[in-house]
Amino acid sequence: RKEVEQDPGPFNVPEGATVAFNCTYSNSASQSFFWYRQDCRKEPKLLMSVYSSGNEDGRFTAQLNRASQYISLLIRDSKLSDSATYLCVVNKPDRGSTLGRLYFGRGTQLTVWP
Amino acid sequence: DVKVTQSSRYLVKRTGEKVFLECVQDMDHENMFWYRQDPGLGLRLIYFSYDVKMKEKGDIPEGYSVSREKKERFSLILESASTNQTSMYLCASSDSFRGRTTYEQYFGPGTRLTVT
Repeated sequence: RKEVEQDPGPFNVPEGATVAFNCTYSNSASQSFFWYRQDCRKEPKLLMSVYSSGNEDGRFTAQLNRASQYISLLIRDSKLSDSATYLCVVNKPDRGSTLGRLYFGRGTQLTVWP
Repeated sequence: DVKVTQSSRYLVKRTGEKVFLECVQDMDHENMFWYRQDPGLGLRLIYFSYDVKMKEKGDIPEGYSVSREKKERFSLILESASTNQTSMYLCASSDSFRGRTTYEQYFGPGTRLTVT
């Protein structure tokens, strides 16, 4: 079973729409959660961290459900510039160490059209 | 701002050649990572390093080796390039805090390697 699973999409939405991405992770020991954004032919960049209580950054809202091992990202009032691939990212300690590595989902592709 | 640079954006090599991909970060990060990214497969970890001269295998280390002689530099080596190593290679770095990795990773722009 993969560490992180997410719907690959693609999601095609008009400007102004609200779109939600979901992600599940397999290891309950995971401690940190992120959403990264990757533009076409560019490197991934951190969009936002995901906190237990949920958090918001402008039009973006991230939620975490530890019991269900589920993470979500909501984008309100979509802009053309939101078109990208969104990667769900989870950490867990390796081999009993406090040091962790990140596990990346395969990404969900979003296209916002005018 | 964190800056991670990679030696080449595009590289074309022949089968059997030895290939060096260089990565440098300027933020004094302890941790460095090499990934490859292929369509439909996402990011896959090849090797990582938590300290100078230290390395650990990721999920797909076969056919690769790494070197970390200095804290800021992490090199990926393809001992004998093969066509199935044609891919986008991404280097990343992250800081450590009180001995624990702070998990946010910063990526370089990537090297698109083609092996013919």
